[in-house]
Amino acid sequence: EAGVAQSPRYKIIEKRQSVAFWCNPISGHATLYWYQQILGQGPKLLIQFQNNGVVDDSQLPKDRFSAERLKGVDSTLKIQPAKLEDSAVYLCASSPPVGSGNTIYFGEGSWLTVV
Amino acid sequence: AQRVTQPEKLLSVFKGAPVELKCNYSYSGSPELFWYVQYSRQRLQLLLRHISRESIKGFTADLNKGETSFHLKKPFAQEEDSAMYYCALNDYKLSFGAGTTVTVRA
Repeated sequence: EAGVAQSPRYKIIEKRQSVAFWCNPISGHATLYWYQQILGQGPKLLIQFQNNGVVDDSQLPKDRFSAERLKGVDSTLKIQPAKLEDSAVYLCASSPPVGSGNTIYFGEGSWLTVV
Repeated sequence: AQRVTQPEKLLSVFKGAPVELKCNYSYSGSPELFWYVQYSRQRLQLLLRHISRESIKGFTADLNKGETSFHLKKPFAQEEDSAMYYCALNDYKLSFGAGTTVTVRA
């Protein structure tokens, strides 16, 4: 079974620039998550999609972060403009439909450095 | 508010020694708790969940509602257990602790 795919794996940008991360979840997984993991901390949920609808985006800094999952499959997370404190690993994850277990499967992450 | 607390950032044990990773949570209902592990250069993956009450790779974790704890234990640590371990609480979203880095020395 193919895992959650993310790209790019690494990105270095200057502050005030923009960046976009792409995620392709495991086939058939209705729920998709974006987490932010700052060095030394646990992952923090930014946004959760159920198919193409947003379930929770309460911790997404909406003045600079945006995410979409237009066709209910892959997703894009954008940051514009980036700040130094956005340096982190951005993890995409997906989980199967309710009733199939609550296991969340993570991608390898996209490492962002803002300089 | 911090909902999952892992008080130890770093934990170093010798091979063959017991290892215990502490996790405390704050939640008023019946919690759904997990342990996730991240080995070097690998993605974060589920280790075990409390509802299945299973042992994975020799690890067990017991939910203690009175102490609001979900400590992870293994009686005999192996070198391949060296990794980052995260405790997580799921109500309508999964909240992670800050993680504990475990190093098992030969």
